[in-house]
Amino acid sequence: AQKVTQAQTEISVVEKEDVTLDCVYETRDTTYYLFWYKQPPSGELVFLIRRNSFDEQNEISGRYSWNFQKSTSSFNFTITASQVVDSAVYFCALGVLRGGADGLTFGKGTHLIIQP
Amino acid sequence: EPEVTQTPSHQVTQMGQEVILRCVPISNHLYFYWYRQILGQKVEFLVSFYNNEISEKSEIFDDQFSVERPDGSNFTLKIRSTKLEDSAMYFCASTLALGRVDTIYFGEGSWLTVV
Repeated sequence: AQKVTQAQTEISVVEKEDVTLDCVYETRDTTYYLFWYKQPPSGELVFLIRRNSFDEQNEISGRYSWNFQKSTSSFNFTITASQVVDSAVYFCALGVLRGGADGLTFGKGTHLIIQP
Repeated sequence: EPEVTQTPSHQVTQMGQEVILRCVPISNHLYFYWYRQILGQKVEFLVSFYNNEISEKSEIFDDQFSVERPDGSNFTLKIRSTKLEDSAMYFCASTLALGRVDTIYFGEGSWLTVV
């Protein structure tokens, strides 16, 4: 079975600080994929990134960066120079390919509060 | 950008009533999903649908739930006799192809309140 752990329930930082959201996953599958989604107060799930298990390259997109480390089963997300608009709940999710359309396993989310 | 659309955005229903939540997945997508998020909790997988049949379902998806693709565009979730604990946000999602590990797109959700 798959498991995703986001140990940080809530993080509060002051605007312009950098912040890292942790995600640790468990799976026995050798091929899997990882996602980060943002859920603003309005409730929708906004896709941020997808990473395949065979691609350990880290990625940067503007102020967002992701650090995928297979050795520690982690897929951490860093926001540089945080802004108030980054305030949201962030979910890490894990999916596997097993022939069927298996659903994603989500972590419990990290509530990020950016204070002005 | 194409998007998954869901209706209604919010529905209040009495316990025991049937509810149908509707979704229009992205037009060329092949895999469809329903997820549930109870207030303040994590998002949970309910069911996936491919080639006009259920592909996988979780233990949450019991006999009270059913899904259907009545035409070429809609994908519905029916809850036969709602319970208080069915109150949640229900998300529809779709993806083009698993083999390519494509992005899974979520709709904006349908808030269901059972009273």
